[in-house]
Amino acid sequence: EAGVAQSPRYKIIEKRQSVAFWCNPISGHATLYWYQQILGQGPKLLIQFQNNGVVDDSQLPKDRFSAERLKGVDSTLKIQPAKLEDSAVYLCASSPRGLTATYYGYTFGSGTRLTVV
Amino acid sequence: AQSVTQPDIHITVSEGASLELRCNYSYGATPYLFWYVQSPGQGLQLLLKYFSGDTLVQGIKGFEAEFKRSQSSFNLRKPSVHWSDAAEYFCAVGVLESGGGADGLTFGKGTHLIIQP
Repeated sequence: EAGVAQSPRYKIIEKRQSVAFWCNPISGHATLYWYQQILGQGPKLLIQFQNNGVVDDSQLPKDRFSAERLKGVDSTLKIQPAKLEDSAVYLCASSPRGLTATYYGYTFGSGTRLTVV
Repeated sequence: AQSVTQPDIHITVSEGASLELRCNYSYGATPYLFWYVQSPGQGLQLLLKYFSGDTLVQGIKGFEAEFKRSQSSFNLRKPSVHWSDAAEYFCAVGVLESGGGADGLTFGKGTHLIIQP
């Protein structure tokens, strides 16, 4: 079974520029999550999708962050404009469905490391 | 809202010695508890989880954890560490929002494990 794929692995941008990250979950997984992991901290949930609908985006800074999951498969997370404090690893995770995620835990991708200079 | 505290930022253990990583959580109901491990440049790998039943749970790589409701703790243990265990360890609590399906995890800040030869 292929894992959760994320790209790019690394990205360096200047502040006020925009950036997008891509995630391809495990085939058939209905639920997809984006987490932000700042250096020295644990991951923080940004947004959760169930198929192509948003279940929880309460911690997503909506003035600059946006995410979509077209057709309930791949997902894109965008930051526009980026700030220095957005430097972090952005992790994508997926699970068959919500209840199963809580029961089994998620499968995480390797993440995209963003550096804003 | 739930929270997780990992009191130890760094722990150094000699190879072959025993290990205990501490985790305390705050949540009003019965929590779902997880331990994840993260190696440099990698995503998060699930070590073990607790939902109900036996309070001593076994995981992969020889790890175990004990849920103590009276102490709101879920400490991770291993009887004899190997150099390959050097990594970042995260404790997390999960909840399942009634009706909504939101089930994002709340992570602690992590404990960095260093193995001395």
